[in-house]
Amino acid sequence: DIQMTQSPSSVSASVGDRITITCRASQEISSWLAWYQQKPGKAPKLLIYTASTLQSGVPSRFSGSGSGTEFTLTITNLQPDDFATYFCQQANTFPWTFGQGTKVE
Amino acid sequence: EEQLLESGGGLVQPGGSLRLSCAASGLIFSNYAMNWVRQAPGKGLEWVSVISGSGDNTYYADSVKGRFTISRDNSKNMLYLQMNSLRAEDTAVYYCAILPRRTGDCYWGQGTLVTVFS
Repeated sequence: DIQMTQSPSSVSASVGDRITITCRASQEISSWLAWYQQKPGKAPKLLIYTASTLQSGVPSRFSGSGSGTEFTLTITNLQPDDFATYFCQQANTFPWTFGQGTKVE
Repeated sequence: EEQLLESGGGLVQPGGSLRLSCAASGLIFSNYAMNWVRQAPGKGLEWVSVISGSGDNTYYADSVKGRFTISRDNSKNMLYLQMNSLRAEDTAVYYCAILPRRTGDCYWGQGTLVTVFS
């Protein structure tokens, strides 16, 4: 199975900050990576798919990059609504797998 | 509006069985592979299983292989997860979901809680 390792597991930030979350795959996954935002008690919300494609309706302060085994999610000008947990997920090979999550607090 | 609505969660003893259902509306159900994803209390997301649009192909996480069975009824726009031999570690909120790959088609239900306790 492909292991997805996210770092950091948590990040302390302030409104207006720029933060970067990294996701590493244990093997090559091309660009088959998605990023989600999740708030307590809610289902995840898709932010980015195919590593860098911004989902419709998602603010442009979110961006994704990378291919192969290393990927990043960047949030610029952090807003109050962005304090949440973020997950990456590989869609290259079954079983699909998620990273362990990064809490932005 | 696209909607996925899970049902069937509840309390069950170890070794017991439960069948989850997911009703889809507002989309062409048979066009989409359907997934089950779970989240244990306070933990991360775990992909559980997927079934192709036609129902011909299925895949499972190793943690549930041989115990869980995914199925669908395209005539009723319904997705199912039959869970047998349940364990304490299966306790989680179970989501049905359409997950993105080439396109941004992505929909999640609100989740249904399964609690396995003795």
